[in-house]
Amino acid sequence: GDSVTQMEGPVTLSEEACLTINCTYTATGYPSLFWYVQYPGEGLQLLLKATKADDKGSNKGFEATYRKETTSFHLEKGSVQVSDSAVYFCALKLGNTPLVFGKGTRLSVIA
Amino acid sequence: EADIYQTPRYLVIGTGKKITLECSQTMGHDKMYWYQQDPGMELHLIHYSYGVNSTEKGDLSSESTVSRIRTEHFPLTLESARPSHTSQYLCASRPAAPGNEQFFGPGTRLTVL
Repeated sequence: GDSVTQMEGPVTLSEEACLTINCTYTATGYPSLFWYVQYPGEGLQLLLKATKADDKGSNKGFEATYRKETTSFHLEKGSVQVSDSAVYFCALKLGNTPLVFGKGTRLSVIA
Repeated sequence: EADIYQTPRYLVIGTGKKITLECSQTMGHDKMYWYQQDPGMELHLIHYSYGVNSTEKGDLSSESTVSRIRTEHFPLTLESARPSHTSQYLCASRPAAPGNEQFFGPGTRLTVL
């Protein structure tokens, strides 16, 4: 079935370091791809999305490019801040089926 | 700003009690979902609905039940709570069109003693 694999955490970085969280997917068609973020004590919120190959989603300094050839949607940020500490979820959606989430990656940024 | 609400935010109850977790959204979304989130952060879909009078079981088997009598309301009920039900429960909703954002509520943290 459809699935999402993302790198396991936790990831600990110093402030201003570069971030990459890997995400690859397996899908029977051409899914839409998403990154959601969950801050402590809150629900998930959409960070960015891409709906077709080569699309780049971006928000709050984060970026991810839909790479059909490598079935990937890696999340990147050039300079992380302490406020970016959260759990990040990669997800895909195909047609009318529910979102399929990865297992989440916890990011801790230290000052 | 997402208009999806969950009550209570925190609940501690004893084994055997019947509980209902409330979820409401004011966005008119047809699709609604319940997830169970374990301490390792992984999300498990336990129930979803595509509209009024529609309910489906998710990927993770759950002893809970849901109902969808009104578009805006999607409560989850546990008839007899057990310690194994201790978890974070997240409700979500989204519009019907593909590719649209899914909005999440703040969650209910349930502890069963």
